[in-house]
Amino acid sequence: DVKVTQSSRYLVKRTGEKVFLECVQDMDHENMFWYRQDPGLGLRLIYFSYDVKMKEKGDIPEGYSVSREKKERFSLILESASTNQTSMYLCASASNYGYTFGSGTRLTVV
Amino acid sequence: AQKVTQAQTEISVVEKEDVTLDCVYETRDTTYYLFWYKQPPSGELVFLIRRNSFDEQNEISGRYSWNFQKSTSSFNFTITASQVVDSAVYFCALSEGRNYGQNFVFGPGTRLSVLP
Repeated sequence: DVKVTQSSRYLVKRTGEKVFLECVQDMDHENMFWYRQDPGLGLRLIYFSYDVKMKEKGDIPEGYSVSREKKERFSLILESASTNQTSMYLCASASNYGYTFGSGTRLTVV
Repeated sequence: AQKVTQAQTEISVVEKEDVTLDCVYETRDTTYYLFWYKQPPSGELVFLIRRNSFDEQNEISGRYSWNFQKSTSSFNFTITASQVVDSAVYFCALSEGRNYGQNFVFGPGTRLSVLP
């Protein structure tokens, strides 16, 4: 089975901090995604990557950047965390059959 | 543009009742894929089913069944004889064929509570 691992389950960061959320998949998938999930808004795509060093903006990229230096790892970066970035962040890896999600990182910015 | 609507925000049922979760989608593509995911309280999204636009056969898997109707652009999900463990948020999602694997659009989710 494909496994998508997000490095942290819960994070608390201060406003203005630089935050790194890490995601690793073990099935050599080309496409990887970062979503945030908020009550009433569902899942919204932040960024996705379809190859090493390639990235595309999703629906809500503002305030975020990403890094994909290796195929298995896709990092989401909050350059200067703000309280409105408090959310659940979900990473996914895509095969021809569908998405496999990580267990999520619940980030609180105080 | 692609869009997924799940009009039911929250549903509560008593254990052993049947429940149907609605999903209506919009797309201009003739080739597309529809999905259902379950998100239990633990937070991880669990894949339930994928359907492509050329296969309108209904599918049954244990207590779960799916009704795909292109005429009404709907892909509804029924749980028969619900159980407390079915309590979760359920998401319907759509991926257009030409962008498959590059973007999914999710509905807002339906929170199902199954009461003992």
